Amino acid sequence: AQTVTQSQPEMSVQEAETVTLSCTYDTSESNYYLFWYKQPPSRQMILVIRQEAYKQQNATENRFSVNFQKAAKSFSLKISDSQLGDTAMYFCAFMKHAGRGNKLVFGAGTILRVKS
Amino acid sequence: DGGITQSPKYLFRKEGQNVTLSCEQNLNHDAMYWYRQDPGQGLRLIYYSQIVNDFQKGDIAEGYSVSREKKESFPLTVTSAQKNPTAFYLCASRTSGRLFFGEGSRLTVL
Repeated sequence: AQTVTQSQPEMSVQEAETVTLSCTYDTSESNYYLFWYKQPPSRQMILVIRQEAYKQQNATENRFSVNFQKAAKSFSLKISDSQLGDTAMYFCAFMKHAGRGNKLVFGAGTILRVKS
Repeated sequence: DGGITQSPKYLFRKEGQNVTLSCEQNLNHDAMYWYRQDPGQGLRLIYYSQIVNDFQKGDIAEGYSVSREKKESFPLTVTSAQKNPTAFYLCASRTSGRLFFGEGSRLTVL
């Protein structure tokens, strides 16, 4: 079974600065997807970034980028130029690439607070 | 607009009553999921369905039931057997490597 671990329950960052959220996972699969989701106070789940395990290049979406280390099973999220609107709960998640029982497994989440 | 619609957004129920949460999608996705979220915690999988007329238990299926009679619909029933049903429930559907979420339903047991 796959597991996802987020070791930082809470983090804070000053507006305009950079912050990195950590995530590690455990799987015996060789091909899979990794995700970072943002959940603001509205509780809507918003996809921040997605990484396919077979792609060596780290995914980037505007101010958000990941550091994907497949051998170490690590998938950290870097937020540059932090904005007040980035304040939210952030979830790391794993999904097998294909096959029966294909489901999204979430970490426990990291609360990020951006301070002005 | 294409998307996932959950209803109701807020629901109150008395202990001992069954309640059904609706989840409808018009994205033509085969796979659908139900997750439960408790305050300050991550999402835990209740049930999922990869195709019509087929579904599998997730990690916390006890006290819940589902059906998948139509591709568009995946309702979740919270039964009286669920010991602690007060929570936020999220429905999602999947295409290839991407999940789309509804806005959630908040169930409170009085």
